[in-house]
Parts: sequence; structure tokens; C-alpha cells
Amino acid sequence: TQLLEQSPQFLSIQEGENLTVYCNSSSVFSSLQWYRQEPGEGPVLLVTVVTGGEVKKLKRLTFQFGDARKDSSLHITAAQPGDTGLYLCTYSGGGADGLTFGKGTHLIIQP
Amino acid sequence: DTAVSQTPKYLVTQMGNDKSIKCEQNLGHDTMYWYKQDSKKFLKIMFSYNNKELIINETVPNRFSPKSPDKAHLNLHINSLELGDSAVYFCASSHGTGVNQPQHFGDGTRLSIL
Repeated sequence: TQLLEQSPQFLSIQEGENLTVYCNSSSVFSSLQWYRQEPGEGPVLLVTVVTGGEVKKLKRLTFQFGDARKDSSLHITAAQPGDTGLYLCTYSGGGADGLTFGKGTHLIIQP
Repeated sequence: DTAVSQTPKYLVTQMGNDKSIKCEQNLGHDTMYWYKQDSKKFLKIMFSYNNKELIINETVPNRFSPKSPDKAHLNLHINSLELGDSAVYFCASSHGTGVNQPQHFGDGTRLSIL
């Protein structure tokens, strides 16, 4: 079983600050995905990273896949209260294996 | 125009009872899943169905039985509910079984066992 370690587990910062959360593993992945789950809702896909070293931007969110394809990071610039949620790193083994999730980073952005 | 809908949203019942959770998707996807999210928000795959065929079963007790009347529906039936079954159950669907296929989740069913 490939394990995904996410850090920090909890993060509470003020609106306007920048932050980075991490997803690490000792295994190599063909791709990783990031989902965000807001309270009372299901996870929603943010991005899929496929190529080692790849950087993808989604407005104020920047996702990076490690060169060795063992880790990924999510950087948020000028965080806003709407960014509050549970950020989940995940991979799929394909073939309807479903998703294997990390334990997530609980992010709270205070106004 | 909800993509993946689950009912009920909340389910409170007593230990030993049998209950079902329904899931429907209108995305035309051919693969559906059930996940369990525990009190620490850890999400774990339970089942997946592809074209009405069970693909995986991740060491889930046989008290849990998924039933798919057609590819747009995947219901979850639970027999003899136990305290440890309290959790949020999420249904999801995807188009195909490729590694990078995005999964679309419902809003969850919050099951509480008294």
C-alpha cells in the first residue's frame, strides 16, 4: 500500500497570508490529485499533476509535482476565508481501484 | 441539476437495525464508488462498481452490501448496524476507470448509530 503523508495536519492563518501544504510519500506515482472538501460537502477535484516537476496554477493556488514524482505541494497566495476546507492529496491505482487519500490538511482562514 | 445525489443526508438509528443509503448520478458515468469518512475525516474506499460489476471490496464487513439496479444508481445496504459504523458515507462516480479520471462526489450521508 502506497502511503500519502500530508502536512501540516491543521493550519489556521489570517486572511491575506501565504501558505504551503505538503503531500509526501516514499513511493513513485504516475500522477497525484488534489481535492478540497468544504464542511458538509463532498470532495471536489482541484487539479491532477502528471509530469515530474510540473507546476499548475488555479487562480491563487499553485500546485507542484516533485521531480521524482514522490511528493506534491500546494501553495496558496493571499489566502481568503473561502479557501477554508480540508485539502486532500490522493492517487488512483486505476482500473476502478478508487482513490487512496492522505489524511488531509485542515485549513482555516480567519477574516 | 445535482450531479451525484445521496439520500438521506442524515440517518440516525439504533444498533442492530438494517438501513439503506441511495445514490444516483446523472453524469452518464459508468463507474460508481462508496467511501467511508471517519470522525477524523479520513476517507477510505469501500466499493466500486463498473458496468454493474463489483470491482473491489476493501476488507469491508459483509454486513455491507452494494446494490446497483442500473449504472446510474449504486445503493448501500447495511445489516445489523454497529456503533463503529457511525461515519459519513460518500458516493462518487467517474467516467471510465483511468488513473486520472476525476471522481465526482455526493454531499455525503451522515450515519449515527445510537
